[in-house]
Amino acid sequence: NAGVTQTPKFQVLKTGQSMTLQCAQDMNHEYMSWYRQDPGMGLRLIHYSVGAGITDQGEVPNGYNVSRSTTEDFPLRLLSAAPSQTSVYFCASSSVSGGGNTIYFGEGSWLTVV
Amino acid sequence: QQQVKQSPQSLIVQKGGIPIINCAYENTAFDYFPWYQQFPGKGPALLIAIRPDVSEKKEGRFTISFNKSAKQFSLHIMDSQPGDSATYFCAASLNNYGQNFVFGPGTRLSVLP
Repeated sequence: NAGVTQTPKFQVLKTGQSMTLQCAQDMNHEYMSWYRQDPGMGLRLIHYSVGAGITDQGEVPNGYNVSRSTTEDFPLRLLSAAPSQTSVYFCASSSVSGGGNTIYFGEGSWLTVV
Repeated sequence: QQQVKQSPQSLIVQKGGIPIINCAYENTAFDYFPWYQQFPGKGPALLIAIRPDVSEKKEGRFTISFNKSAKQFSLHIMDSQPGDSATYFCAASLNNYGQNFVFGPGTRLSVLP
């Protein structure tokens, strides 16, 4: 009953460091995505994937990189962390079957860049 | 045109009250309108959703009212309880697929005992 699993839960980075947020889902969903959540701005789409080997940019992709080598995993890479990337990050997945209209979110990764 | 506006930003009601959260959209191509509920420290979870071919949908104490001509939809919580205290996000999507969701900025609801 795992659903969408994100790691780490909390991370503090120094400006310029790189890191990867991990995301895995066990629901065999085709679609996976990464959102960032900032106060007063709701959830904004960073990158998404419609299947293994296929990724595309969302609303706020700059400074982030993704890959989708398997159906289950969708890691988000911060290439050179900046204070503006301090945020809560949510990975999500959804399925094509049944209209694909329910997004399942992970529990979030709190990232602070100092 | 991709924006979804949401109000109020925060809302405080007494137990048993009926909080109402409103959302408005511009893009008439949106065809699916979900509401997500988020508790502190957790990810958002789907609460209830509606399509533009109906004007109202009820699930338990939660009701969505949808006004297609005004491009507005709202969430009503009947007999609100302290356990309903959370942040609520409205959203809209094209083509039903997860990557095309646009979220409102959220409403923080507090239900006082």
